[in-house]
Amino acid sequence: ETGVTQTPRHLVMGMTNKKSLKCEQHLGHNAMYWYKQSAKKPLELMFVYNFKEQTENNSVPSRFSPECPNSSHLFLHLHTLQPEDSALYLCASSTWTEGRYEQYFGPGTRLTVT
Amino acid sequence: QKEVEQDPGPLSVPEGAIVSLNCTYSNSAFQYFMWYRQYSRKGPELLMYTYSSGNKEDGRFTAQVDKSSKYISLFIRDSQPSDSATYLCAMSETGNQFYFGTGTSLTVIP
Repeated sequence: ETGVTQTPRHLVMGMTNKKSLKCEQHLGHNAMYWYKQSAKKPLELMFVYNFKEQTENNSVPSRFSPECPNSSHLFLHLHTLQPEDSALYLCASSTWTEGRYEQYFGPGTRLTVT
Repeated sequence: QKEVEQDPGPLSVPEGAIVSLNCTYSNSAFQYFMWYRQYSRKGPELLMYTYSSGNKEDGRFTAQVDKSSKYISLFIRDSQPSDSATYLCAMSETGNQFYFGTGTSLTVIP
C-alpha cells in the first residue's frame, strides 16, 4: 500500500443517505485530489486542493461536497446520490521533489448507490 | 475529441514476451507523462515518470515519449504473470491537473 489511506473501502448507500469518504496522506504532500473511476472510462478528476485551498472543481454536481481541513486530510461528503454515481472513488496526493513530479493514489472506496 | 486515447485491450501475451502499450494525445502543451499500473481492487501505482521527450528505462520497463507525434509508449521486457494488471497513461501540461487514458488490461499467461 502507498502512504495514502482511504476509508471506508466499500460503501453501499441509498439515494437519500448522507455519507462521507475519508482520505489521509502520510507523505507530507501539499496537493490532494479526488478522482472518480468508472468501468471503461478514464479517471475523472473531481477536485484538487493545494495547501488546503480548492484549485480545481471539474463541474462536479453539488451532491458531492469536498472538504480539506488540513494538508493531510481530505473528505468527500455525499448526499442524495444517483445510481450512476456508483464507481471507485480514488484519493491521491502529490508533490514536486528533486525536479520530479510524484502523485500517489490510495486504494479507493468502492461506492454502490442503490 | 478525447484528450488522451488508449486502446483498452484486453491484451494477452505469453510469459517472457515483450509488451508494448501506447497512448496518443491531442494537447501539444502536455509535458509531464506518466504510466500507472493498477491491480484489481487496488489504486493506481506510479510506474514511470517522464518529463518532455525521450526515453526512460527502469529495470524491465522503458517509457518513450515522442512529442512530435503526440505518442507515448511503455515497453515491458521479459513479461511476467505478476505484470498482469491494467496500465494507465496520464499526462499534464502544468503538473497540477492530469488527463488519463482509459487503461489497457494486460494478462501475461504462464
